[in-house]
Amino acid sequence: AQSVSQHNHHVILSEAASLELGCNYSYGGTVNLFWYVQYPGQHLQLLLKYFSGDPLVKGIKGFEAEFIKSKFSFNLRKPSVQWSDTAEYFCAVNNQGGKLIFGQGTELSVKP
Amino acid sequence: ETGVTQTPRHLVMGMTNKKSLKCEQHLGHNAMYWYKQSAKKPLELMFVYNFKEQTENNSVPSRFSPECPNSSHLFLHLHTLQPEDSALYLCASSDRGRETQYFGPGTRLLVL
Repeated sequence: AQSVSQHNHHVILSEAASLELGCNYSYGGTVNLFWYVQYPGQHLQLLLKYFSGDPLVKGIKGFEAEFIKSKFSFNLRKPSVQWSDTAEYFCAVNNQGGKLIFGQGTELSVKP
Repeated sequence: ETGVTQTPRHLVMGMTNKKSLKCEQHLGHNAMYWYKQSAKKPLELMFVYNFKEQTENNSVPSRFSPECPNSSHLFLHLHTLQPEDSALYLCASSDRGRETQYFGPGTRLLVL
């Protein structure tokens, strides 16, 4: 069965620290890859997405993610986090059938 | 953002009640989705509608009954729910099955 795995359940960082959140998926065919963010009390918002082309994708608010096909990975990065980045981050993958599979989420807490 | 709206935002119901959740998308999309978000679990896809036709039922119990009268509106009718059905129910829409999904704010449901 297709699955998406996020390695970290809860990450705690100080402001200005660098961030990398891991995401691996199990599907072997053509996929679209997404990172969504859910700020406290708000709805899921798209952070960035990869459909094709340059495997290094830039998103909003200084986030980026790199698709490494050989590793089935799509890790999220940000060079310097801010307190306002405190949120829950979800990796998601959809395949030819269009079904979007989510990881279990990573809660990021940034200390001011 | 007002692309996808959901009402009510909060709902408390007893196990014998019947209630309905409403979702409306203002994005001109033709696919709509219901998801269940429970604490510490990945988002679970419940139903998918494409052009008003149900294309996916992810083994959801019959006490959840979706309805899609047109491409802009989606309902989830609830009856004889169980306490374990308490969760955040999210609606999403997309242009086509593989495209980016946009989420509403969710309905926080508590079943007593």
